[in-house]
Amino acid sequence: KQEVTQIPAALSVPEGENLVLNCSFTDSAIYNLQWFRQDPGKGLTSLLLIQSSQREQTSGRLNASLDKSSGRSTLYIAASQPGDSATYLCAVRHYRDNYGQNFVFGPGTRLSVLP
Amino acid sequence: SAVISQKPSRDICQRGTSLTIQCQVDSQVTMMFWYRQQPGQSLTLIATANQGSEATYESGFVIDKFPISRPNLTFSTLTVSNMSPEDSSIYLCSVRQGGEQYFGPGTRLTVT
Repeated sequence: KQEVTQIPAALSVPEGENLVLNCSFTDSAIYNLQWFRQDPGKGLTSLLLIQSSQREQTSGRLNASLDKSSGRSTLYIAASQPGDSATYLCAVRHYRDNYGQNFVFGPGTRLSVLP
Repeated sequence: SAVISQKPSRDICQRGTSLTIQCQVDSQVTMMFWYRQQPGQSLTLIATANQGSEATYESGFVIDKFPISRPNLTFSTLTVSNMSPEDSSIYLCSVRQGGEQYFGPGTRLTVT
């Protein structure tokens, strides 16, 4: 059974810092990995999608890497801003089929960027 | 990318009543997924809804408690029945398109 963990559980940094969020998964036979952002009491916003054949994806100040063999992904946020404060979730899709149970979420990292 | 809307955005309900949550997608999708997020927790899949057939429920979730309808390829409803305070959660509708997962804004349910 696929299990996804995220470290740290919470992180508080001053504005302007570069930071790294970590995601680990137990079964490396994944189809893709997706990073989401969730603001308090809200839904999820997709940030980056990495296919299993890719090593990294970039969008603006965000860069996500994937190392399938070690079961790890990192989300790098450059020059953090108070508006980046949210919970960041990674989720792993285990198989190519469309059934929902193969999409497993980590517990999230709660990020606070202080002005 | 898929755009998903949900109604209501939030509600406060009394114990023992039922609430139906609507999910509308701006494009046709084969499957729609319903998730629950309890306070301070990550997301848990409730069921997968396929148009024209019965929904597939995950372990711990039953049709009598969470009946789902899927009348067409762009719409689904989830009903939370006979509610108790333990049902207080955010309920999220989700679809998959082009290999990417998209989520609605969620319905924040509080049961008193």
